[in-house]
Amino acid sequence: GIQVEQSPPDLILQEGANSTLRCNFSDSVNNLQWFHQNPWGQLINLFYIPSGTKQNGRLSATTVATERYSLLYISSSQTTDSGVYFCAVFTGRRALTFGSGTRLQVQP
Amino acid sequence: EAQVTQNPRYLITVTGKKLTVTCSQNMNHEYMSWYRQDPGLGLRQIYYSMNVEVTDKGDVPEGYKVSRKEKRNFPLILESPSPNQTSLYFCASSSSGGSAYGYTFGSGTRLTVV
Repeated sequence: GIQVEQSPPDLILQEGANSTLRCNFSDSVNNLQWFHQNPWGQLINLFYIPSGTKQNGRLSATTVATERYSLLYISSSQTTDSGVYFCAVFTGRRALTFGSGTRLQVQP
Repeated sequence: EAQVTQNPRYLITVTGKKLTVTCSQNMNHEYMSWYRQDPGLGLRQIYYSMNVEVTDKGDVPEGYKVSRKEKRNFPLILESPSPNQTSLYFCASSSSGGSAYGYTFGSGTRLTVV
């Protein structure tokens, strides 16, 4: 099946710093979603981004489907950005295949 | 507010005592699914449903049952829970059964089986 790899696995930032999270996938996809799992365990839908670039406030995402990667940018990070960021692709098995996540800790 | 509602949020139970985790969505979504999340194993799909009365197994269906009698509800049933079913469970729904678009998760149910 398709493999989804995320990097880095862990990231510690000072408040106000910028960061880039990467998601590589092993096969062509036309569905990719970024999620944020907050410290309370809730999974929040950030972007549906099969290709191109989207922005929402301090967050933006870019997917280059032909090169099989997606990037999530967080600018001017805040402590509330802490948590785990997952990318996931929807497969023909009617399921989301998740990467292993990037654990982000933003320190005040 | 569009949402997926799971209950309970936390549950501690004993081995063998049947339990049901409820899931309800108010978005008129046809597709619903259950996942479990475990350290080191990530999120794995248990069951999914493409529509009323249509359900199918995911990656880890053993020990679980589901039903889809109404479009909005998709309960997860553990008929005889065991400690290896201790996990964080998520229900999800989507407007499109063939896409990640609009995939919405519930707040999760943390289950402990002793």
